[in-house]
Amino acid sequence: DAGITQSPRYKITETGRQVTLMCHQTWSHSYMFWYRQDLGHGLRLIYYSAAADITDKGEVPDGYVVSRSKTENFPLTLESATRSQTSVYFCASSDFSDRSQETQYFGPGTRLLVL
Amino acid sequence: QQQVKQSPQSLIVQKGGISIINCAYENTAFDYFPWYQQFPGKGPALLIAIRPDVSEKKEGRFTISFNKSAKQFSLHIMDSQPGDSATYFCAAHINFGNEKLTFGTGTRLTIIP
Repeated sequence: DAGITQSPRYKITETGRQVTLMCHQTWSHSYMFWYRQDLGHGLRLIYYSAAADITDKGEVPDGYVVSRSKTENFPLTLESATRSQTSVYFCASSDFSDRSQETQYFGPGTRLLVL
Repeated sequence: QQQVKQSPQSLIVQKGGISIINCAYENTAFDYFPWYQQFPGKGPALLIAIRPDVSEKKEGRFTISFNKSAKQFSLHIMDSQPGDSATYFCAAHINFGNEKLTFGTGTRLTIIP
């Protein structure tokens, strides 16, 4: 039972290149989220999805694109990477159908360095 | 705009002591307040959570104290252990159907022997 996985775990790229970070969950959770973690800023929401084919912007969406064609996958694409997008990226999922279990489950993260 | 303010940014506590991390929020529509624990190289994981209809929730050595009138809540770790060394995030949630969490900026806790 893998739960929620992210790939790659580490990525080095150059300014201007397109990068896609993958996220896969095995629980069939309806909600999925992408965060970036930076020192002094905590976790900031980039995009989220309530279900397949339903996505919405979070706090810091500029420069990022998401899609969700299948419930279990939620890839995040940096269309033209910039140095300011160097960060640790976390994917999370949740199933809010049960109000007593409003927990977001996080993946292990992807460390991205943009040179 | 930071809707959940967390302090301190870092905290050093001696083994066996009490660790206290504070958070304050602005939006009175928040209805769920979780704390997440993150170890180095790992993703955050839910530690404990509280709803505004209670003033305190305790799970083992971890306690959330909630002050609705002051719009503040805090995490207390009793008998702090080196294994508690981690980064702690408070968060807040609004039940508007989009299920988003707003996180604080995090507190790096170090427990020294």
